[in-house]
Amino acid sequence: DAKTTQPPSMDCAEGRAANLPCNHSTISGNEYVYWYRQIHSQGPQYIIHGLKNNETNEMASLIITEDRKSSTLILPHATLRDTAVYYCIVRVAGTASKLTFGTGTRLQVTL
Amino acid sequence: GAVVSQHPSRVICKSGTSVKIECRSLDFQATTMFWYRQFPKQSLMLMATSNEGSKATYEQGVEKDKFLINHASLTLSTLTVTSAHPEDSSFYICSASPGTNSPLHFGNGTRLTVT
Repeated sequence: DAKTTQPPSMDCAEGRAANLPCNHSTISGNEYVYWYRQIHSQGPQYIIHGLKNNETNEMASLIITEDRKSSTLILPHATLRDTAVYYCIVRVAGTASKLTFGTGTRLQVTL
Repeated sequence: GAVVSQHPSRVICKSGTSVKIECRSLDFQATTMFWYRQFPKQSLMLMATSNEGSKATYEQGVEKDKFLINHASLTLSTLTVTSAHPEDSSFYICSASPGTNSPLHFGNGTRLTVT
């Protein structure tokens, strides 16, 4: 699986949009971009995934650049409960394959 | 949907004893489940891939005789930490997916403390 690079930490004010970047410059054509988050002492929670089109669900939006070498996860109105470590992971499509976790971005949402 | 349940959430055991952790897919069947371990302030590290009806596949450096995995049904995988030692104290997390194009979903983890 392609390696991803994320900033180690970010801050965001409550109510503002949180934009979390991820670089995956060696991504292959058959690899999806997945985002998970882990709140302290819990298992990772699935957020969203995409191949090349932008995606939106009730939790977040995922913007993937046209060359697919980077993406941004957007939490439109961050709350204190969004404080967590966010992981960007690439995974081969069409398989029940494992996820390889990097170090992620620690997002701190503040009042 | 796609709920993965782990039990117990916390366990404390004495050095030298064995501990079993259960991972269940509640609303789907999973031929494959994954076991991860996470030490404090570190990321998740894959330990092994659990395959229903066959032997588990272990990552390099993970002792298969120490971490016994049994995937006896399509909804249950167990991880047994045998002869536990304090250095085995960690957060153990399992995951499974409803299908090949579906996301992996994770249990809430088991915090093991070996005294």
